[in-house]
Amino acid sequence: AQSVTQLDSHVSVSEGTPVLLRCNYSSSYSPSLFWYVQHPNKGLQLLLKYTSAATLVKGINGFEAEFKKSETSFHLTKPSAHMSDAAEYFCVVRSASGGYNKLIFGAGTRLAVHP
Amino acid sequence: GAGVSQSPRYKVTKRGQDVALRCDPISGHVSLYWYRQALGQGPEFLTYFNYEAQQDKSGLPNDRFSAERPEGSISTLTIQRTEQRDSAMYRCASSFTPGETQYFGPGTRLLVL
Repeated sequence: AQSVTQLDSHVSVSEGTPVLLRCNYSSSYSPSLFWYVQHPNKGLQLLLKYTSAATLVKGINGFEAEFKKSETSFHLTKPSAHMSDAAEYFCVVRSASGGYNKLIFGAGTRLAVHP
Repeated sequence: GAGVSQSPRYKVTKRGQDVALRCDPISGHVSLYWYRQALGQGPEFLTYFNYEAQQDKSGLPNDRFSAERPEGSISTLTIQRTEQRDSAMYRCASSFTPGETQYFGPGTRLLVL
């Protein structure tokens, strides 16, 4: 069965410094992986997705993630944090059962950005 | 509409009452999904439709939970005889076709007193 583990429940950075949100996955198949972001009182927004093409995936708002099969990781990074990046971030794997239509979410990482 | 909409955005009910949560997907999207998100956790899959057909309901926790999408567009998630443990954020998503990117609505926050 597929699963994802987000290694940090909270991350705090200063504005202008790099962001690293860590995610490890477990999958017996070549996985489809996603990062979603949730701003307060808003819906979940897709940041980026990996579907077995390039291992370095670029998303919106300057975020990117690298798929590393040897490490079973899909960490999310951004070179320079902005105040508007403060939100909750979810690492997600698509289930290989049920017609590939279920998304399996990690527990989330809350990112705080300080001036 | 431009995105997935859900109503009501907030619902407070008393234990034992029935509630109905509505989801209006993006126009033309074939697939519709329901998830439940407990406080401090990620969303968990409940059920999924293609058009009006319920394809997978393996995530519904018990028979008090049901969902329908009678005309292949708007969907309703119904919880009968609500219990305090049903309190959560209920999220709806839709995708153009099965397996495509899922777009989420703002959610309905349910509080059962």
